[in-house]
Amino acid sequence: SQTIHQWPATLVQPVGSPLSLECTVEGTSNPNLYWYRQAAGRGLQLLFYSVGIGQISSEVPQNLSASRPQDRQFILSSKKLLLSDSGFYLCACMTGGSYEQYFGPGTRLTVT
Amino acid sequence: AQKITQTQPGMFVQEKEAVTLDCTYDTSDPSYGLFWYKQPSSGEMIFLIYQGSYDQQNATEGRYSLNFQKARKSANLVISASQLGDSAMYFCAMREGQHGGSQGNLIFGKGTKLSVKP
Repeated sequence: SQTIHQWPATLVQPVGSPLSLECTVEGTSNPNLYWYRQAAGRGLQLLFYSVGIGQISSEVPQNLSASRPQDRQFILSSKKLLLSDSGFYLCACMTGGSYEQYFGPGTRLTVT
Repeated sequence: AQKITQTQPGMFVQEKEAVTLDCTYDTSDPSYGLFWYKQPSSGEMIFLIYQGSYDQQNATEGRYSLNFQKARKSANLVISASQLGDSAMYFCAMREGQHGGSQGNLIFGKGTKLSVKP
């Protein structure tokens, strides 16, 4: 079964600074990959998904971007963070033929 | 448009009793999948159970069962014999397209916080 790694686990960044969150997947190939954000006390909001290398779809317009340079690597970035970017960021993976998404441990981002 | 509604922000249950967490959904797609995830205080999202719209029987996984009422568009989670470790946030989610689909995107409800009392 697949294992999803995310780092860093926690991050405190000032407003206006850049961001790079990384997600890597082991144990599967050609997965669909997803970035979700969860604001405090709220449900999950899908930010980006990718069905293959270099293929990124955005669900919500914002100052974040995503890239998939390798089959099992998914990166979430920002050039300049906003206070509203604070939250819990979760990477998820779905493999072909399955129906469930498996989640990584998440990154807790605080923008100060 | 797809929508998931969880009307119970918080629930309390006595240890060893059963509890039902409500979830209603709205979709125009005849083929869809319904999911329940558990999120403990650590933040990880743990997959619990899945129900496909064409599945004839309600899904069960150990102490978890999904009470699927298609005509009412409800997919309630039943946890039997609650344990202290069941205290967590529970999220209902839906994906249009029953088996994977090209994107597999999930729409989540706002969640229900379950507290199990000793």
